[in-house]
Amino acid sequence: EPEVTQTPSHQVTQMGQEVILRCVPISNHLYFYWYRQILGQKVEFLVSFYNNEISEKSEIFDDQFSVERPDGSNFTLKIRSTKLEDSAMYFCASSETRGNSPLHFGNGTRLTVT
Amino acid sequence: GNSVTQMEGPVTLSEEAFLTINCTYTATGYPSLFWYVQYPGEGLQLLLKATKADDKGSNKGFEATYRKETTSFHLEKGSVQVSDSAVYFCALSNNNAGNMLTFGGGTRLMVKP
Repeated sequence: EPEVTQTPSHQVTQMGQEVILRCVPISNHLYFYWYRQILGQKVEFLVSFYNNEISEKSEIFDDQFSVERPDGSNFTLKIRSTKLEDSAMYFCASSETRGNSPLHFGNGTRLTVT
Repeated sequence: GNSVTQMEGPVTLSEEAFLTINCTYTATGYPSLFWYVQYPGEGLQLLLKATKADDKGSNKGFEATYRKETTSFHLEKGSVQVSDSAVYFCALSNNNAGNMLTFGGGTRLMVKP
């Protein structure tokens, strides 16, 4: 069964550094998402992306964050200047369509900011 | 706004015991409701869903019924197995917001042989 893949599985970075988290969505899916889960807290929506632009974003997704689909297969989340509070598990997801189409999640990237 | 509340874990059961994980929600409009499961070291997987009132979602022996009158979507399984040990997340999607999911806090289930 096709799956969403994320790399790396664990990223450690120093505060103030830029990080790029990478995702390869399922190939025929058109909608892409990033969610995050801070340790011990709820899974939170960050952003959705369709047709090469952001569809929706949450309050968390401020100017420090950006997303990009640089080619036909990758979907990336960039954090420009990481803060300690950005430490979390970041999940990428994709879906075929909007509406009730189920989301398929990757295994996540654990980001640790020191 | 939307919110999902589910019972805190961990829930520890013996194999073949009956499972209930409670989930209640607050939402505008007519949300779709989901249960996702996260096995150790893996991502979130859709377990089951229900898109309108009184619908019952089911998969792998798990069931949940969309109860609009009580704004609930409790997860049940008649006989759990050790392999069901995982974290279970209740979630909703407000159809007006596409696939943006609002999650509950997750409930860890531990099944002992």
